[in-house]
Amino acid sequence: DTQMTQSPSSLSASVGARVTITCQASHDINKYLSWFQQKPGKAPRLLISGASNLETGVPSRFSGSGSETHFTFTINSLQPEDIATYYCQQYDNLPFTFGGGTKVEIK
Amino acid sequence: EVQLVESGGGLVLPGRSLRLSCTASGFTFGDYSMSWVRQAPGKGLEWLGFIRNRDYGGTTEYAASVKGRFIISRDESRGIVHLEMNSLKTEDTAVYYCTRLGLGYCSSSSCLGPNYFDSWGQGTLVTVSS
Repeated sequence: DTQMTQSPSSLSASVGARVTITCQASHDINKYLSWFQQKPGKAPRLLISGASNLETGVPSRFSGSGSETHFTFTINSLQPEDIATYYCQQYDNLPFTFGGGTKVEIK
Repeated sequence: EVQLVESGGGLVLPGRSLRLSCTASGFTFGDYSMSWVRQAPGKGLEWLGFIRNRDYGGTTEYAASVKGRFIISRDESRGIVHLEMNSLKTEDTAVYYCTRLGLGYCSSSSCLGPNYFDSWGQGTLVTVSS
């Protein structure tokens, strides 16, 4: 199985700050990586697929990069509505696997 | 607009069975593979399995943790995907989400194309407890 190691597990940042989350895959997954946002009590929402492709309607302050085993998710200028837990997930091979999540809070 | 609505959750005794349903609308159901993902209370996301679209015969793949206990099926005429859960354990307590997979393809091990979870239902809570 491909293990997805996501860090940090939580972070606190000020409004307007730049936030970066990393996801490391235990095997080469090409660019078959998604990022999801999950707010409390809600279903996850797809933000990015293909490591860097922003879904329609997702604000441009969100971005993703990386390939093979190392991936980065960035929020430029953190907003109060971005408070959520973020997950990476690989879809290169079965079983599909998720990172452990990063809880983002406002300082 | 793509909509996925899960139903069938609730309280169930250990060892019993439960069937969840996911009613899809807003897209051509037969073109898409469908999947189930769960989230235990306060925990992360866990993929359970998927069922391929009609072009690939509606065959299934499962995570090792549920293979042999959980069965995914689909009703093409009604646009519904089911998750039948047998021999339930307390550790199966979770919110269960139905998801749509993008238009890629996975064999039993590797995948090609956009097999990401592009739409999610609101989830249904299953509690396994005596």
